[in-house]
Amino acid sequence: EVQLVESGGGLVQPGGSLRLSCAASGFTFRTYNLNWVRQAPGMGLQWVSYISSSSSTIYYADSVKGRFTISRDNVKNSLYLQMNSLRDEDTAVYYCARRNYDTDGMDVWGQGTTVIVSS
Amino acid sequence: EIVLTQSPGTLSLSPGERATFSCRASQSVSSSYLAWYQQKPGQAPRLLIYSASSRATGIPDRFSGSGSGTDFTLTISGLEPEDFAVYYCQLYGSSPLYTFGQGTKVEIK
Repeated sequence: EVQLVESGGGLVQPGGSLRLSCAASGFTFRTYNLNWVRQAPGMGLQWVSYISSSSSTIYYADSVKGRFTISRDNVKNSLYLQMNSLRDEDTAVYYCARRNYDTDGMDVWGQGTTVIVSS
Repeated sequence: EIVLTQSPGTLSLSPGERATFSCRASQSVSSSYLAWYQQKPGQAPRLLIYSASSRATGIPDRFSGSGSGTDFTLTISGLEPEDFAVYYCQLYGSSPLYTFGQGTKVEIK
């Protein structure tokens, strides 16, 4: 079964750090580009970051640039998001999502991990 | 930055009815990069339509997409109980890399 499973969310104080992980299974992880997408409580979807299959191309949303770092380990079949200098507005469910190279759509999503930034 | 505006915000319909909702881009975009997603409460989004009009794997044919330029439409030909959800359009390839509309909620009338 094709699957993405996020972990690492939790409660953190403003200014703190957190590292999210996304474990992949059921597909050839090293050949797919991946994304992090977040959803604040009661709000819509916001793209956060993208990483190509070889990690050669990385993009960030302006709202997280300089604070978040995306990375991947193609041996461990895992995607990561290092989040530093967290703000209240970073509170959200964070999803990892696979980009389908035929359609450009995000065709596989994890179940999400919740990050709460609060003092 | 291209902005996607979805309308209406909420659609109240009965099962069996036809649902049509709009996604308007602030400037002309390639239909190749326009997608639609469905999200149910407590669940991750699911890809429905890519390239504006192509159904993703496993998506029933009651879902269809159309449009070009700045105006795109998602149609559900006859609502099933499981179709009551929030629908998002998404653009790929602009700046930022992915942009989502704010969503349209389809609720039971």
